[in-house]
Amino acid sequence: QSVLTQPPSVSAAPGQKVTISCSGSSSNIGNNYVSWYRQLPGTAPKLLIYEKKNNRPSGIPDRFSGSKSGTSATLGITGLQTGDEADYYCGTWDSSLSAEVFGGGTRLTVL
Amino acid sequence: EVQLLESGGGLVQPGGSLRLSCAASGFTFSSYAMSWVRQAPGKGLEWVSAISGSGDSTYYADSVKGRFTISRDNSKNTLYLQMDSLRAEDTALYYCAKDEVAVVGTLTSFEYWGQGTLVTVSS
Repeated sequence: QSVLTQPPSVSAAPGQKVTISCSGSSSNIGNNYVSWYRQLPGTAPKLLIYEKKNNRPSGIPDRFSGSKSGTSATLGITGLQTGDEADYYCGTWDSSLSAEVFGGGTRLTVL
Repeated sequence: EVQLLESGGGLVQPGGSLRLSCAASGFTFSSYAMSWVRQAPGKGLEWVSAISGSGDSTYYADSVKGRFTISRDNSKNTLYLQMDSLRAEDTALYYCAKDEVAVVGTLTSFEYWGQGTLVTVSS
């Protein structure tokens, strides 16, 4: 059972937009910066969005966006491509646990 | 170019020990906190442990507390994870990851990851 809750899967057609939610609490998302990672099959995770630092690392297109409201965060992906099929994870620091926590991951399928 | 290269994984019996290493290059190693993150086969990411840039502060997931020890040698640009009393549930691909800042906590984020080293705990 992950501290952060994500939907197990989402799907959308090529060219469409999809959002992935990440729900937490005041000890994690509510008071710490959220990051989003993408993991393509057989590869290491890659940072997509870092809430604090200009949102996206260099090389990440503006099709990817992040937002936060209260104790929930959302990753948005527009102009979906088949290459976006991957597992997506949210992560943040949990001040009560003194630990980094991840969501359980969301598998994106581009139909 | 930032590079992180893990090593030390392998097959170990339950109750055994392993020491993982992560050789870092392309950045000022002592200026950044580092973490170990693992991924069991077919499962999601699980943060394991973190250490500040100076090495003065360490943090552990409850699942490994008292069994794993994180350390670093800033003169060798290397991160370590000593794993003792290994259990079957520790079987996973272990990644080292570079933090954004020197201090572990609210600003933690991982822009750079290694390719991982596989640890299998089985009799």
